[in-house]
Amino acid sequence: KQEVTQIPAALSVPEGENLVLNCSFTDSAIYNLQWFRQDPGKGLTSLLLIQSSQREQTSGRLNASLDKSSGRSTLYIAASQPGDSATYLCAPYNNNDMRFGAGTRLTVKP
Amino acid sequence: DAGVIQSPRHEVTEMGQEVTLRCKPISGHNSLFWYRQTMMRGLELLIYFNNNVPIDDSGMPEDRFSAKMPNASFSTLKIQPSEPRDSAVYFCASSREVGYNQPQHFGDGTRLSIL
Repeated sequence: KQEVTQIPAALSVPEGENLVLNCSFTDSAIYNLQWFRQDPGKGLTSLLLIQSSQREQTSGRLNASLDKSSGRSTLYIAASQPGDSATYLCAPYNNNDMRFGAGTRLTVKP
Repeated sequence: DAGVIQSPRHEVTEMGQEVTLRCKPISGHNSLFWYRQTMMRGLELLIYFNNNVPIDDSGMPEDRFSAKMPNASFSTLKIQPSEPRDSAVYFCASSREVGYNQPQHFGDGTRLSIL
């Protein structure tokens, strides 16, 4: 069974800072990995989906990397803004199953 | 694009009662997923459908839980009888293609409280 760990559990940074969120998973035989954002009282919003054959994906200020062999993915957020405050979850997919990490709660202070 | 629509947004009921949660996926999407989120267990997949057919229901906790998708634009998750430990936020999500190879679009969830 896939185990997904996200570090740190919470992060508070001043506006403008670049930051990295980490995701590790125990079964490296994945087909893809998604990063999601969840705002309080809301559902998840898919940010980036990286296929197993890819090393990274970029969308605006977000860059997600994938090192499948080591079971790791990172989400890099450049020039953070208060609007980036949310919980970020990673979810690797394998064996017809997608498992979610517990998330990193990010607070960006103005 | 209206997004995934879930109803009700909030439900409070007494244990033993039947609860029905509803979901309307995005038009044209072929996969539909039901999730449950709690503080203790995080986000868990309950069941998913491809082209209205249940593919994997191994996450459904007990026989008290059942899900149907009678057509491409509607799905229900039913709990009968409900118990306090069923209290959680239940999310429905849909994606364009079958399986997990496309981004999933989530509804805003149903917050369920069983007293």
